[in-house]
Formats: sequence, C-alpha cells, structure tokens
Amino acid sequence: LAKTTQPISMDSYEGQEVNITCSHNNIATNDYITWYQQFPSQGPRFIIQGYKTKVTNEVASLFIPADRKSSTLSLPRVSLSDTAVYYCLVGDKDDMRFGAGTRLTVKP
Amino acid sequence: ETGVTQTPRHLVMGMTNKKSLKCEQHLGHNAMYWYKQSAKKPLELMFVYNFKEQTENNSVPSRFSPECPNSSHLFLHLHTLQPEDSALYLCASSYSGGLRPEQYFGPGTRLTVT
Repeated sequence: LAKTTQPISMDSYEGQEVNITCSHNNIATNDYITWYQQFPSQGPRFIIQGYKTKVTNEVASLFIPADRKSSTLSLPRVSLSDTAVYYCLVGDKDDMRFGAGTRLTVKP
Repeated sequence: ETGVTQTPRHLVMGMTNKKSLKCEQHLGHNAMYWYKQSAKKPLELMFVYNFKEQTENNSVPSRFSPECPNSSHLFLHLHTLQPEDSALYLCASSYSGGLRPEQYFGPGTRLTVT
C-alpha cells in the first residue's frame, strides 16, 4: 500500500495560487491519485483524481509527473472558504488510507 | 449535500448503552464504508461492504458491529463503548468494481461516550 507524505500545514493569502505536493514513492501500477478536502466536523469532499499527466476541473488542477512518484494539487486564486484540510490518497477504492493531510489556512 | 445521509448527527451515550448509527446513500452505489476520525488523527477505515458483503474489517473491536441489509443502507451498532471511542464516525459510498476510488462521504455522527 503506497504511503503518502504531505506538508502538515500551509498558509496563503486570498487570491493567490496554492500548490500542495504529495509524495508517493511506492505507488502501484493500478493506483489512482485522489485528493479530498475536509472542513471541520464534516465528511471529506472529493476534489480531483488522476492517473498521470494533468487533470483539470472547475475546482482544481492535478499535476502528475511521468514517474508518478509525486503529485501536486493546484488551487487557483484561493479564498477564505478554501481554508480546510487537504488529503492526498493513493490506491484503489478498497485500499485507500487517509494520512494526516495538509492544513491550508487562507488569510485575508 | 453529497447524497449520503447519516443519523443521528450527534449522539451522547454512556458506556453501558446500546445505540446504532445509520447511513443511507441515494447515489446508486454498491460499496459502503465506515470511518472513524478521532481528534487530531487521520481518518481510520473501519469496515468495507461491497454488494452487501463485508470485505474488510480493519481490526475493529467487537463492540462495533456493522450491518448492511442492502446496498443503500449501512448501520453501525454500538455497545459497551469506551470514552476513547468518542469521535466523528463517517459513512461513505462508492461504485464497486473498477479502479476509480471516488468516495462520497456523509456529514458524520459526532459520538461522545461518557
């Protein structure tokens, strides 16, 4: 089971682009990379998912290099409401393990 | 609103009580999960059900007893809990099969054991 490593916390300011990088050196061939967002006392919310290269949706972009040993979640122009914990997960649906996540604080 | 509902949202129970948590998904999924989130700890996967069959039990104490009567409903029966079991209990659902692990989470039940 691939283990993930993320920064414990990050600070940013409104309007800035935020990039959160996750390391997953032991990623397996069948593993997808998935990012979730969690606000206090709520369940995690799916943000984006990818297998390789770049994926973009209305919320974020996910960059995955060719070796897939890391990934970067990019949040464009963050606002105060983006303050949350962001989790990087690697695996298939029955082997997903949440790590400690990255606590992002967006300041005015 | 994720399509996954949990009741109750808050529960306070004594160590000798018996209670049940309920989860219902309206997404047509066929896999359901229970997670535990303690303060300042990562989410811990407790149980996995695929097509009503339990496929994973992550060494969870027997005082937690899951039940999945159909693909839309999941219960967690609680009895003789300990104060350290106080946590946010989250239910999630997804499609079974395939390799795309997008899970939809409910809002959770905040459990306090006194």
